[in-house]
Amino acid sequence: AQSVTQPDIHITVSEGASLELRCNYSYGATPYLFWYVQSPGQGLQLLLKYFSGDTLVQGIKGFEAEFKRSQSSFNLRKPSVHWSDAAEYFCAVALYNQGGKLIFGQGTELSVKP
Amino acid sequence: DAMVIQNPRYQVTQFGKPVTLSCSQTLNHNVMYWYQQKSSQAPKLLFHYYDKDFNNEADTPDNFQSRRPNTSFCFLDIRSPGLGDAAMYLCATSRDPRGGSTDTQYFGPGTRLTVL
Repeated sequence: AQSVTQPDIHITVSEGASLELRCNYSYGATPYLFWYVQSPGQGLQLLLKYFSGDTLVQGIKGFEAEFKRSQSSFNLRKPSVHWSDAAEYFCAVALYNQGGKLIFGQGTELSVKP
Repeated sequence: DAMVIQNPRYQVTQFGKPVTLSCSQTLNHNVMYWYQQKSSQAPKLLFHYYDKDFNNEADTPDNFQSRRPNTSFCFLDIRSPGLGDAAMYLCATSRDPRGGSTDTQYFGPGTRLTVL
């Protein structure tokens, strides 16, 4: 069955420190992968996506993610975290044979220390 | 700006009183989705429309219905809300995801439903 796992429920980093959020997926075909960010009480904003091609993808707000097929991973990184990055981050895989349905991981809540 | 709009942003209803949530889009996308997100959980797909074709998820309760009168609008109807239906309801749109490809889903800001 298709699934997405985000092993870290909550991460705290200091402002200016680097960040890596982990995401592992289980999917039998070529995955279409996304990272979304959600601030409290808000909808989901797309950070970046991987469909094909270069396995290192750049997104908005200085985020990047690397697709590693051998590890079934799509980890999100940022070299220097800002206080405004505090939010919930969701990794997702799209099932294109089911109308593009998104299967989300359980989310990682990011806190940023001053 | 092209976008996905949800109204109202906050909805309070009484136990058992029907409620309708609204979503509109200016992106002219074929597909519209409704997700339910309970507190501290990931969004979960309820159903989606591909144009006028309705696609229900197998585990979506019968209490949840949807209508799409035209390309731009989609409604979520909860016939008899229970306390367990309190959640954030997210609408999303995308272009044609079929034919072995998919496209990005763009989300609205959500409607927070409270059931008293």
